[in-house]
Amino acid sequence: DTGVSQDPRHKITKRGQNVTFRCDPISEHNRLYWYRQTLGQGPEFLTYFQNEAQLEKSRLLSDRFSAERPKGSFSTLEIQRTEQGDSAMYLCASSFIPFEQYFGPGTRLTVT
Amino acid sequence: AQSVTQLDSQVPVFEEAPVELRCNYSSSVSVYLFWYVQYPNQGLQLLLKYLSGSTLVKGINGFEAEFNKSQTSFHLRKPSVHISDTAEYFCAVSEWSGGSNYKLTFGKGTLLTVNP
Repeated sequence: DTGVSQDPRHKITKRGQNVTFRCDPISEHNRLYWYRQTLGQGPEFLTYFQNEAQLEKSRLLSDRFSAERPKGSFSTLEIQRTEQGDSAMYLCASSFIPFEQYFGPGTRLTVT
Repeated sequence: AQSVTQLDSQVPVFEEAPVELRCNYSSSVSVYLFWYVQYPNQGLQLLLKYLSGSTLVKGINGFEAEFNKSQTSFHLRKPSVHISDTAEYFCAVSEWSGGSNYKLTFGKGTLLTVNP
């Protein structure tokens, strides 16, 4: 068990560019979550997958955001036409038992 | 929708002193409660959880928390802190939003600083 991994750990991009983040969950976990954490705040729910199906999306997830989980394994989160307000830590979590979510180290996005 | 309030944004303490980090939640249904710890530039690590049963739950690193339904609280305690406990602590409630989704709603966090 190597834990949840996320790549990259840090990303600096210019406003208007597209970025994509990857999350590799713990191998036997069928549930996968994305959260966003801004400075001084707790994480906020973005979206949820069970296996390959995206079952819920938060209102925070504008149409510039898209997430996928092909084959129910790794997941990607893409942000198109980034804005400065997108600067945050993007956290991925996975679980097998519904109440125990294990978090990755996060991807810190800075939009200049 | 459920919400979580962490009453203190910062808690400074001296090493070996006891500490309590306070958390209140609002919910109209049964809840599942969690405390996570976040060290600088890292993800969140689960400290402990309350699902049902005994209201006093023990977690890792000597932490414990008590669920109080009447006061809707889930305060985190440690009898003697170490420098290495310096971190941000988040209280969270699991909100069932249909199907198999048990998404977490977090408080804003409490920064625990342990001074020598």
